[in-house]
Amino acid sequence: SAVISQKPSRDICQRGTSLTIQCQVDSQVTMMFWYRQQPGQSLTLIATANQGSEATYESGFVIDKFPISRPNLTFSTLTVSNMSPEDSSIYLCSVTGQPQRGIYEQYFGPGTRLTVT
Amino acid sequence: QKEVEQDPGPLSVPEGAIVSLNCTYSNSAFQYFMWYRQYSRKGPELLMYTYSSGNKEDGRFTAQVDKSSKYISLFIRDSQPSDSATYLCAMRAGSYQLTFGKGTKLSVIP
Repeated sequence: SAVISQKPSRDICQRGTSLTIQCQVDSQVTMMFWYRQQPGQSLTLIATANQGSEATYESGFVIDKFPISRPNLTFSTLTVSNMSPEDSSIYLCSVTGQPQRGIYEQYFGPGTRLTVT
Repeated sequence: QKEVEQDPGPLSVPEGAIVSLNCTYSNSAFQYFMWYRQYSRKGPELLMYTYSSGNKEDGRFTAQVDKSSKYISLFIRDSQPSDSATYLCAMRAGSYQLTFGKGTKLSVIP
């Protein structure tokens, strides 16, 4: 499985500011995703980070609020813009590598715990 | 009705007990079923992966899928305190997108 690291691991930010979260993978991966995990809620997919093109956002998430970059096959960033307390959450990077026995397994990074005051 | 329902618990069992964790779902297109384990302040860790109906065993863990009932289960035998974590079920159809349950928090008491 791929080894995924995220920076920062946690942060406390003031409302109205922006935070950029980095995701680094130790090997080239096919797909990279960004998820949000709010207390008591299911993991929710924010977007798929596409290498060399604009990210694909899920319903309820927009590029102006969550701009994403993916300059290569091992790195991606997620920015949480103009933050409000409702953005307080854990943000998780996830990747899918080459299929194993025809199955694409999906792995998660350690997460970034964000608190907005 | 949510696509995936999972009892959030918390579930507390004595060490050595057999644990049963379950999810129900409504989307008949789901074909791939996963269980993730998430320790406190860590990312989810892929535990088991099953395609379509049937059973899969890996050590003390057994995953079951019953597509006719839209019901999946994870059994943990001889549970250990180190199994204390939140267990997330996840599933997908043919695409990459996973749909998760809310997770069940398990505590195994020594």
